[in-house]
Amino acid sequence: AQTVTQSQPEMSVQEAETVTLSCTYDTSESDYYLFWYKQPPSRQMILVIRQEAYKQQNATENRFSVNFQKAAKSFSLKISDSQLGDAAMYFCAYRRQGGSEKLVFGKGTKLTVNP
Amino acid sequence: EPEVTQTPSHQVTQMGQEVILRCVPISNHLYFYWYRQILGQKVEFLVSFYNNEISEKSEIFDDQFSVERPDGSNFTLKIRSTKLEDSAMYFCASMYGTHEQFFGPGTRLTVL
Repeated sequence: AQTVTQSQPEMSVQEAETVTLSCTYDTSESDYYLFWYKQPPSRQMILVIRQEAYKQQNATENRFSVNFQKAAKSFSLKISDSQLGDAAMYFCAYRRQGGSEKLVFGKGTKLTVNP
Repeated sequence: EPEVTQTPSHQVTQMGQEVILRCVPISNHLYFYWYRQILGQKVEFLVSFYNNEISEKSEIFDDQFSVERPDGSNFTLKIRSTKLEDSAMYFCASMYGTHEQFFGPGTRLTVL
């Protein structure tokens, strides 16, 4: 079974600084998707960024970027120029390729942004 | 922008009672999911639904749970006889193609 591990239960960063959240996963599949979801105190799940495993280029969305290392099964999220609104739980998630495949989530990292 | 909606936002029920959680997925989406998150824990998959039938269900999704898509818009999760441990946030999600699932805002279920 696929597993997702987030080894940092909590992280903190100063406003305007950069922070990296770690995620590793275990799978025997070669084609899959990886995601980072943000969950603010409202508990809404918001997609931050997506990476297709077949793409070598790391995904980028404005201040958010990933470092995808397929061989190492590592998928870290870098947040640049951190803002107070970035404070939230961040969940790494994996999904096999296929129509109805479920998301498998890590336990999350709570990010605090200090002013 | 289209979004997934869920009602109610908060449901309080007595142990042993039946509850129905409702979701309206994005209109052209084909795949539907329910997840739950016990407070302070990770999000867990419950069930996926495609072409009017369950595609996959987790060990959590036992005989007390059922899902329906009674019409072209709603997607419901029923818990027949709630237990204290069913208290959680329940998220509905939908997906069109094979990329990303869009989540609703969740229903907080409290079982007393």
